[in-house]
Amino acid sequence: AQSVTQLGSHVSVSEGALVLLRCNYSSSVPPYLFWYVQYPNQGLQLLLKYTTGATLVKGINGFEAEFKKSETSFHLTKPSAHMSDAAEYFCAVSPSNDYKLSFGAGTTVTVRA
Amino acid sequence: NAGVTQTPKFRVLKTGQSMTLLCAQDMNHEYMYWYRQDPGMGLRLIHYSVGEGTTAKGEVPDGYNVSRLKKQNFLLGLESAAPSQTSVYFCASSPRGPTNQPQHFGDGTRLSIL
Repeated sequence: AQSVTQLGSHVSVSEGALVLLRCNYSSSVPPYLFWYVQYPNQGLQLLLKYTTGATLVKGINGFEAEFKKSETSFHLTKPSAHMSDAAEYFCAVSPSNDYKLSFGAGTTVTVRA
Repeated sequence: NAGVTQTPKFRVLKTGQSMTLLCAQDMNHEYMYWYRQDPGMGLRLIHYSVGEGTTAKGEVPDGYNVSRLKKQNFLLGLESAAPSQTSVYFCASSPRGPTNQPQHFGDGTRLSIL
């Protein structure tokens, strides 16, 4: 069984500041890791994913995430926040031998002008 | 590029009424999923299907039924709606193959049970 913990349900950043969203997971087998973004009244869109290989993963809209096996973490960052980054972000995990996802509770990002 | 389409987008029901939510995908995906999204709880898997004619229970299946009569459609049914089923429901699909395939989501159905 796997679980996903997102630290902080709300994050507020100033425009141009660093965005850091934290995700920790527990998994009994090597996991695949995903970050999704949800804009208001829309479905979830894939930001990036880690499967194998390079532990630093680049995604869309300037986001990236680093897989740290020793820390069981997959934190999401963006060097400079833009107003359009205001959304809810979900970390998700699937074991490498399964296709079902387990989601974190989500982190809502607000961007201050 | 329709992707995953959910019908209806909004619905208000009275306790005890029944309804069916429809999900249609045009990507020829084998796998389909139904989730519910509640504040502070992320998305929780209700039921899923790995192919036409097959369904399986997810994390929170009670009070729901599903059917996958055609590969492109996945229906979610509420036989006797309860206020606890007030939620936003999302359908998703993914292709067969390596388990690292991302899921593609619809825009959701917002359901209120009075």
